[in-house]
Amino acid sequence: QQPVQSPQAVILREGEDAVINCSSSKALYSVHWYRQKHGEAPVFLMILLKGGEQKGHEKISASFNEKKQQSSLYLTASQLSYSGTYFCGTALSDSGGSNYKLTFGKGTLLTVNP
Amino acid sequence: DTGVSQDPRHKITKRGQNVTFRCDPISEHNRLYWYRQTLGQGPEFLTYFQNEAQLEKSRLLSDRFSAERPKGSFSTLEIQRTEQGDSAMYLCASSLSSGLGKQFFGPGTRLTVL
Repeated sequence: QQPVQSPQAVILREGEDAVINCSSSKALYSVHWYRQKHGEAPVFLMILLKGGEQKGHEKISASFNEKKQQSSLYLTASQLSYSGTYFCGTALSDSGGSNYKLTFGKGTLLTVNP
Repeated sequence: DTGVSQDPRHKITKRGQNVTFRCDPISEHNRLYWYRQTLGQGPEFLTYFQNEAQLEKSRLLSDRFSAERPKGSFSTLEIQRTEQGDSAMYLCASSLSSGLGKQFFGPGTRLTVL
């Protein structure tokens, strides 16, 4: 039940856009997105609940397609500071609406070059 | 605002020894989580506390692992008779039980078992 992230890695030039996907084979209650830089703790970006909402955080936004059980993270006009590994963590619908038990994907390594 | 802290940051031990890690969550957070992360993988759920009660423990957690949160504040994770396969980053996170369950991660303890 580990969510599948794609792509595994992406290389951008500063200012370019990227999309990272997170798919689940099971019905999701919520999707949590984190960014982790090498040797550091994962940093929270945003949470999306079922209902297909879209949220934004500066130039980073995300959507949740309940029909497809898929979330996408959109990074626009990328900056050097966006480099890192992006993880999605999912909470299942059968967890009773609880967000406590997250299952993380393997991550997407994003590299932004000057 | 003090974040989640973990101690020690690094631990090198010999196979068969016992180790104990400490996590201090954000002070008002009543939920505390332990995760394990290996190279190239996302965080893997180990166990979770609400206040002092351990409410769930992953099936992946063998009986060599034990966690406590005696007064509902800091938590300890002990690994007995360490094995080389225990080498990993051990991450602690905390959250409120209300709201969306946004988890804040600590910097982790990197364990190397020789």
